[in-house]
Amino acid sequence: QVQLVQSGAEVKKPGASVKVSCKTSGYTFTDYYIHWVRQAPGQGLEWMGWISPKSGDTDYASKFQGRVTMTRDTSMSTGYIEVNRLISDDTAVYFCARASRWELVGDFWGQGTLVTVSS
Amino acid sequence: DIQMTQSPSSLSAFVGDRVTITCRASQSIIRDLNWYQQKPGKAPKLLIYGASTLQSGVPSRFSGSGSGTYFTLTISSLQPDDFANYYCQHSFNIPFTFGPGTQVEIK
Repeated sequence: QVQLVQSGAEVKKPGASVKVSCKTSGYTFTDYYIHWVRQAPGQGLEWMGWISPKSGDTDYASKFQGRVTMTRDTSMSTGYIEVNRLISDDTAVYFCARASRWELVGDFWGQGTLVTVSS
Repeated sequence: DIQMTQSPSSLSAFVGDRVTITCRASQSIIRDLNWYQQKPGKAPKLLIYGASTLQSGVPSRFSGSGSGTYFTLTISSLQPDDFANYYCQHSFNIPFTFGPGTQVEIK
């Protein structure tokens, strides 16, 4: 069965970086895009960007350009998102989602990773 | 960026009621509209994609319609398991944006 399993919760100080992983199984990793979506506490959903596991191509929401990097390790069937220069507003649950195309139609999602930014 | 709005922001209904949630886009998105259900502490679950196509495994009491800028999600007979937040999301262009959500409570 298709599964996306994310790494555990993180607590970071402002200005630090965080890297969250999304390990996939149950399907061919390179056949589907990985999108990242975040949700601040009590708030709505915000799309951050996508990565093509096949090519490594990425596209980010302009809000995150220059501060977010998405990568993948095809040997591990795992996607990653790294967020740099963290601020308190980055406190959120970060989700990975699988989609068959670059458009976000997320048919399977990870369980979410809480990233807390606090001094 | 395309802005998505939803109404109502919350609703309370009885088990068995017919419930409709509305989603509007700030410009035409043709039929590139998806609906998700999210329960507290859980990831979103895809219910409807392409405005009206039911995702595999989703109960048939859920249905979607609309095109252009106006879309609806209907639950034909509300069940206790349907207590959740519902979000629309467009997949027309980047950035993909979500509506603010509709909280559905069971009376």
